[in-house]
Amino acid sequence: GESVGLHLPTLSVQEGDNSIINCAYSNSASDYFIWYKQESGKGPQFIIDIRSNMDKRQGQRVTVLLNKTVKHLSLQIAATQPGDSAVYFCAENVGTSYDKVIFGPGTSLSVIP
Amino acid sequence: DAGVTQSPTHLIKTRGQQVTLRCSPKSGHDTVSWYQQALGQGPQFIFQYYEEEERQRGNFPDRFSGHQFPNYSSELNVNALLLGDSALYLCASSPTLGLAGGPVSNEQFFGPGTRLTVL
Repeated sequence: GESVGLHLPTLSVQEGDNSIINCAYSNSASDYFIWYKQESGKGPQFIIDIRSNMDKRQGQRVTVLLNKTVKHLSLQIAATQPGDSAVYFCAENVGTSYDKVIFGPGTSLSVIP
Repeated sequence: DAGVTQSPTHLIKTRGQQVTLRCSPKSGHDTVSWYQQALGQGPQFIFQYYEEEERQRGNFPDRFSGHQFPNYSSELNVNALLLGDSALYLCASSPTLGLAGGPVSNEQFFGPGTRLTVL
């Protein structure tokens, strides 16, 4: 079946350190993955995405790594800031239109000042 | 650009009632998807509308229905409400891909959601 899951429900990181959030997915046919950030009282916000023909993609302070062999996805946040505190979801796009998004349960990131 | 807007912000209903939630997509977007997010969980895909038709559907009963209007705005209707329908309902919009000169990213933009409480 289709499912996306996260290894850790919560993560606490010291301000300035790097954060790594991990995710496992089960649908080997998925070819597009996304990381979302959701702050309290808001809808999910797109952070970065990656297609299955890539194993790494970098954005501003964020890097997504994809290991298709073990169906694992990770989000790395460099120099974590208090504003990064939120729930992070990994998600996979299924279907031909790339718009049916299956979310994992989420990881809550807390940044310690 | 106001982004994706949803109304109402909060709603309280009782079991058995019906509810209609509304969504206006981001300017330039023609595809609208609806998600249900229970407390402490990730959003669950309900369905997606494109060109006023339901294009894809998740594992939700027929009590959940929707509509898309010519201006791309959308409604989510839930009949015979159950206590378990209490959740944050999110709307997301995205552009059509594959058009010459059009967008190349299928990034979905989410609205702030409607918090539905069923008593």
